[in-house]
Amino acid sequence: GDSVTQMEGPVTLSEEAFLTINCTYTATGYPSLFWYVQYPGEGLQLLLKATKADDKGSNKGFEATYRKETTSFHLEKGSVQVSDSAVYFCALSGNAGNMLTFGGGTRLMVKP
Amino acid sequence: DTAVSQTPKYLVTQMGNDKSIKCEQNLGHDTMYWYKQDSKKFLKIMFSYNNKELIINETVPNRFSPKSPDKAHLNLHINSLELGDSAVYFCASKGGLRYGYTFGSGTRLTVV
Repeated sequence: GDSVTQMEGPVTLSEEAFLTINCTYTATGYPSLFWYVQYPGEGLQLLLKATKADDKGSNKGFEATYRKETTSFHLEKGSVQVSDSAVYFCALSGNAGNMLTFGGGTRLMVKP
Repeated sequence: DTAVSQTPKYLVTQMGNDKSIKCEQNLGHDTMYWYKQDSKKFLKIMFSYNNKELIINETVPNRFSPKSPDKAHLNLHINSLELGDSAVYFCASKGGLRYGYTFGSGTRLTVV
């Protein structure tokens, strides 16, 4: 079945550092890929998505590129802020498009 | 206007009780979901309904019974609550294929 693997956290960075959170997936066909963010005490918010190979999703300075050859969708941001501290989830929606499969989440802590 | 709303936000109850969590979406989406997030933040699909019809029923104890009176509502009833049911439960909805999923803010259930 479909699965998503993302790097375990916590990831601790200083403000303005470069962020990479790795995500790889296993799925048949051509899934859609997503990054969701969960701020402390809140629900899940869609951060960005990509629906086909080589697409780049971007939002709020975050980017991720759908790499079919490496089955990856790594999240990057050039300069993190304290307000980016949250848990980040990589997810996929398979060909049937009928559910999201999540990775285990990566906690990001940004220190001033 | 909240797109996907869940009530209650917090629920503390004793073992053995029966409780319900309600979910409503005003996005006109056809498909709704329940996800469970455990204490380690891992998210797992429980149920999915499409136009009031059950389409996904993962390995969930039959103490959990979803009910969809119409396509805008998906409620979750839990009988004979156990300590292990303590978690955050998220409702979500989705429009057509390859659209993003919209999540509610979650219901934190604590069984004591």
